[in-house]
Amino acid sequence: DADVTQTPRNRITKTGKRIMLECSQTKGHDRMYWYRQDPGLGLRLIYYSFDVKDINKGEISDGYSVSRQAQAKFSLSLESAIPNQTALYFCATSPTRDGGRIGTGELFFGEGSRLTVL
Amino acid sequence: AQSVTQLGSHVSVSEGALVLLRCNYSSSVPPYLFWYVQYPNQGLQLLLKYTSAATLVKGINGFEAEFKKSETSFHLTKPSAHMSDAAEYFCAVSEGTGFQKLVFGTGTRLLVSP
Repeated sequence: DADVTQTPRNRITKTGKRIMLECSQTKGHDRMYWYRQDPGLGLRLIYYSFDVKDINKGEISDGYSVSRQAQAKFSLSLESAIPNQTALYFCATSPTRDGGRIGTGELFFGEGSRLTVL
Repeated sequence: AQSVTQLGSHVSVSEGALVLLRCNYSSSVPPYLFWYVQYPNQGLQLLLKYTSAATLVKGINGFEAEFKKSETSFHLTKPSAHMSDAAEYFCAVSEGTGFQKLVFGTGTRLLVSP
């Protein structure tokens, strides 16, 4: 089984619908991230979380929200999907050291959730 | 803010040829730099990272990268390409104290022909 699991893997929806992408991990990492990948644009950070009570916006958070339900679960929501949110979405986790204060820079990615908004 | 620029969205090589993927960084502080690889239909995985310990960094699958401060570069190389190296490669730089987050480049797709 994958250490970082994303569901659904593929989703087609219509403009205006609410969509939730879920991520769960068994790696025991405190830090979790949501990125979106678009051709030619690389990966861009949407939100990140260092623990259940610590949620931070990334560079493209508009139109998205997140929930960190537990250390192992981090969900991304699109309240009202629009076509330019069509993309491949990745969840990632990252370990820390020194009592959780410092990251390592190594991200462990899920296999991605491909979202198409019509 | 830190950023990285990858020159060339596609690079084509023959099997057995040298692989060179270019990455230049922009950072106001000493950077921590990374290369990640994405195989088809998979998430990214770490190839190697530079954290100021040594300027020549060796990674998995025979890849290495050299940090050159004078050129603000962190190019990825492999002496001899293999068909299995065909993938998309991303350079990234750490932003924020304590490796808070990574900022990725736009990626370079490596094509390997027989």
